[in-house]
Amino acid sequence: AQSVTQPDIHITVSEGASLELRCNYSYGATPYLFWYVQSPGQGLQLLLKYFSGDTLVQGIKGFEAEFKRSQSSFNLRKPSVHWSDAAEYFCAVGAPNFGNEKLTFGTGTRLTIIP
Amino acid sequence: EAQVTQNPRYLITVTGKKLTVTCSQNMNHEYMSWYRQDPGLGLRQIYYSMNVEVTDKGDVPEGYKVSRKEKRNFPLILESPSPNQTSLYFCASGTSPDEQFFGPGTRLTVL
Repeated sequence: AQSVTQPDIHITVSEGASLELRCNYSYGATPYLFWYVQSPGQGLQLLLKYFSGDTLVQGIKGFEAEFKRSQSSFNLRKPSVHWSDAAEYFCAVGAPNFGNEKLTFGTGTRLTIIP
Repeated sequence: EAQVTQNPRYLITVTGKKLTVTCSQNMNHEYMSWYRQDPGLGLRQIYYSMNVEVTDKGDVPEGYKVSRKEKRNFPLILESPSPNQTSLYFCASGTSPDEQFFGPGTRLTVL
């Protein structure tokens, strides 16, 4: 079964600074990988996804993520954060070899932006 | 507007009183799913449905039931709620599990 770990429970960055949120996965083959964002009081919104091909994927709101097979990682990055990026971020992994009928989510990283 | 709607958004109930949380989507999606979100545990899948009349257990199905009699609706039923089912519940839908659209959530408190 697949699993995903988000090592950072809470990260604080200054507005305008760069951001990297970590995600590590466990799966026996190349998984499907996702990042979702949850703004306060809202549901989850898909930021980006990786299935195959180019290991650097671009998403909405200026986010990108890089798949590194050797490190079993799929870290989310943004060069310059805005106050509106304050939210909780979830990494998720799907299992294409099993029909990808379910996603397994990490425990989330809460992002706080300071002026 | 394309959306996933859940009702009610907030519910306080007592142990043992049957309840249903409705979920409806207007995007003609085949895939629908229920999750619960608890602090420190992230989202855990309760049940999912690949299509009408096809449902399957997720990671934490105990104490829950679902049905999928029509494509747009996927209600979550708690026959005898208990305090450990106090949580934030999300319904999601998609053409496949690969890109899911989430509802706004239902905050359930069981006393």
